[in-house]
Amino acid sequence: EIVLTQSPGTLSLSPGERATLSCRANQTINSLFLTWYQQKPGQAPRVLIYGASTRATAIPDRFSGSGSGTDFTLTINRLEPEDFAVYHCQHYAGSPPVTFGGGTKVEIK
Amino acid sequence: EVQLVQSGGGLVQPGGSLRLSCAASGFTFNTYWMHWVRQVPGKGLVWVSQINSGGTYTNYADSVKGRFTISRDNAMNTLYLQMDSLRAEDTGVYYCARLLRHCTDGDCQKWFDPWGQGALVTVSS
Repeated sequence: EIVLTQSPGTLSLSPGERATLSCRANQTINSLFLTWYQQKPGQAPRVLIYGASTRATAIPDRFSGSGSGTDFTLTINRLEPEDFAVYHCQHYAGSPPVTFGGGTKVEIK
Repeated sequence: EVQLVQSGGGLVQPGGSLRLSCAASGFTFNTYWMHWVRQVPGKGLVWVSQINSGGTYTNYADSVKGRFTISRDNAMNTLYLQMDSLRAEDTGVYYCARLLRHCTDGDCQKWFDPWGQGALVTVSS
């Protein structure tokens, strides 16, 4: 089973700074199957990046995804106030199980 | 507008049952696979179950296998999760989600979009 480990658990940054979030798999995965979601308090997750690097519809270009093999990164350039949230990575190859990382909280410093 | 609206959460005693519903609108429901995902408040997301577009193929996480049943009524554009023999560890917010795919040369990217607003299930005596 694929296990995803996200780090750090919490990232404390100021608006305007860059956030770099990591998602590491316990074995090599196809980057097609790696997705990033954003979740704000009291809300459902929403997709940001799929296929490791493709921005979803209406997602600002300050969000970018990269990586391959076992190491994947979500980068948020120039943090806006609305970007402070929890970010989840997900692996789904089409057959269960679907796995999620533990999440990274980006909080205002 | 593409939307999933959930209903059916609540407080139930251990050993009890509950049925969650997820009403879809704004898209052709009977052409999409659907999933359920659980989240303990303040914790990460955990996949629960999936169903194919026709309702003939289902899968479950080991933790709920034999206790939960996913189903759908394509005429009513509604997804269901029947939860029986509930345990304290089943407590959480349950989300339904639509599976989207983008395929190129036989390789398919897959992601969940949209998600329902969530339904809180509390299993406690």
